[in-house]
Formats: sequence, structure tokens, C-alpha cells
Amino acid sequence: NAGVTQTPKFQVLKTGQSMTLQCAQDMNHNSMYWYRQDPGMGLRLIYYSASEGTTDKGEVPNGYNVSRLNKREFSLRLESAAPSQTSVYFCASMGQYNSPLHFGNGTRLTVT
Amino acid sequence: SQQGEEDPQALSIQEGENATMNCSYKTSINNLQWYRQNSGRGLVHLILIRSNEREKHSGRLRVTLDTSKKSSSLLITASRAADTASYFCAPFTGNQFYFGTGTSLTVIP
Repeated sequence: NAGVTQTPKFQVLKTGQSMTLQCAQDMNHNSMYWYRQDPGMGLRLIYYSASEGTTDKGEVPNGYNVSRLNKREFSLRLESAAPSQTSVYFCASMGQYNSPLHFGNGTRLTVT
Repeated sequence: SQQGEEDPQALSIQEGENATMNCSYKTSINNLQWYRQNSGRGLVHLILIRSNEREKHSGRLRVTLDTSKKSSSLLITASRAADTASYFCAPFTGNQFYFGTGTSLTVIP
């Protein structure tokens, strides 16, 4: 099992460009999450999907959209990238309620 | 913010010593989890303690939870250089985890 796979690993964008971060899990997990991690800020929740077909905003959703394409895949889209979105983005999934999160290895995004 | 808050922010100890990290949170929780992150990698789950539990052990890890004080501690015994990493607490409530900013642990060989 690969666990949680994120693509790409690295990306550089110019201000105003758009892109989609991909995330897929092969553990048949119900819930999936997108976090961003900035120095000194810890992990902040952008969006999550408690189950297939549902998505909810987290702490910092502005400037992002998500799609829960199916049970396996949860993508994060930046429609018009801004330098403030320079960060490391982590996708995670959770199986049963009250169980651990499984993280991908992250996407390091730089917006110039 | 409902984030967990770890204390201290940084900790440096000699190999073989014990390391203790503390976490405080603000809301009622279903469980509290501890994660470890090596530089440049994703977070890895260490241990989960449910709201009705007070103490839990896993190998060299010992976690306590005091829901009346809204606090938790993580003890790593007999530390090793390989334990050098950042450690995060994550109170879980509803469908969300509330990660803190972490404790950076350095174990000196």
C-alpha cells in the first residue's frame, strides 16, 4: 500500500497562475484533509471532506477550492495564486472516526 | 483559535535522558493525538489517547491526559539521536484536528 500520495512534490508558480494539487489514498478512508504548514504557524486546516460527496471549510479556506472526486481522491485548487500561498501543503486521511491521521509527504509550493 | 499549544517550543537534551513535552487546548475533545515530523517530511502518528483515558503507553512513549485542565503531556524515555524531530499535539473534536506549532526536540549524541 502506498498510503497517501501527493503530487507534485515541488511547484513554482507566478502570481495569478492556477494549479491543482492532487491527493490520493489507497486505504479506503472516509475522511480527507488539506493542511498548510508555515514556519511558526503549525498546521492549519484549509478544507476537509468527512465523507465522499461532502466538503467543509477549515480555518484558512480563502483562495482555495477543493473537490472530493471519489473516495480515493481529494484535490486542492488555487485559482489565482498569491505570494501569501507560498507554503508546504499536506494531505491527510482518516479511516474510522476517532482514529489517526495518515499524511502524505507534502507539496512545497512557491509563488513569486 | 482552538489550536493545541505545545510547550516548550524547543528542547535540547543528551542521548539517554528523558524528554517531556506539554500540550494545552481550549475545547472539549474526543481524543488527543501526538505526531512526529522529521525535517521535510509528513507527520507520523505516534499515539492516541481518548477523552476517557488518563494515561497510555507505547514503547518508550508515555502520554497523559487531564481533561479538567485541558492538558496533555508526552514523555519520551531513554531518548536517542533518532528521536530528533518536531512533535505536535492534535486535539480532535467534531471532524477536525487542531494542531499546535510543535516542540522541536534535539537529542545530542
